[in-house]
Amino acid sequence: EAQVTQNPRYLITVTGKKLTVTCSQNMNHEYMSWYRQDPGLGLRQIYYSMNVEVTDKGDVPEGYKVSRKEKRNFPLILESPSPNQTSLYFCASSFSSTVLNTEAFFGQGTRLTVV
Amino acid sequence: TQLLEQSPQFLSIQEGENLTVYCNSSSVFSSLQWYRQEPGEGPVLLVTVVTGGEVKKLKRLTFQFGDARKDSSLHITAAQPGDTGLYLCAGVGNNYGQNFVFGPGTRLSVLP
Repeated sequence: EAQVTQNPRYLITVTGKKLTVTCSQNMNHEYMSWYRQDPGLGLRQIYYSMNVEVTDKGDVPEGYKVSRKEKRNFPLILESPSPNQTSLYFCASSFSSTVLNTEAFFGQGTRLTVV
Repeated sequence: TQLLEQSPQFLSIQEGENLTVYCNSSSVFSSLQWYRQEPGEGPVLLVTVVTGGEVKKLKRLTFQFGDARKDSSLHITAAQPGDTGLYLCAGVGNNYGQNFVFGPGTRLSVLP
């Protein structure tokens, strides 16, 4: 089954404790991205990757890191989480960033709470 | 960053009613997509519209892309409780890399 898998689904952590949210897709997609979703603000892009070893900042990259060592995986790293990073996070992948009709496939989300 | 606005932000209606939600931008997009998101899940694509003036139908849902490719509407006929969810529009633009720009969404609740 074609899917984007995120882990964990839920996470409660303390301020400053490094964490990683994993994302994996099995569709051989080139393009992967991370979003955070907050009430009234919609989906805001954090980072994106157009292919292996190619990553770039989205609209709200501060406090986050990513890596793309393999095509299928795109982990999101919070080196020192703060309470304002409490949010619902989504990983998404699509076939290509240059194909205009490409569909974004989303993971099920990770609800992160930083206390 | 290209911005998308959606209206209304919230909508609560009775089963059987019709409704229209809107997605507007000051920017031109190459195409526009509509996604539906249910609680606890990620957004799922409903439709992509590409040509200005294009109309697409998906059962009781009718999607229209504005002539200038800056706006779109989603009309639902005879809404059902299963239509409840968050409806997101996404502009697929020409910006290298940032190929999806999402609106804030319209949260629809259809009461039985």
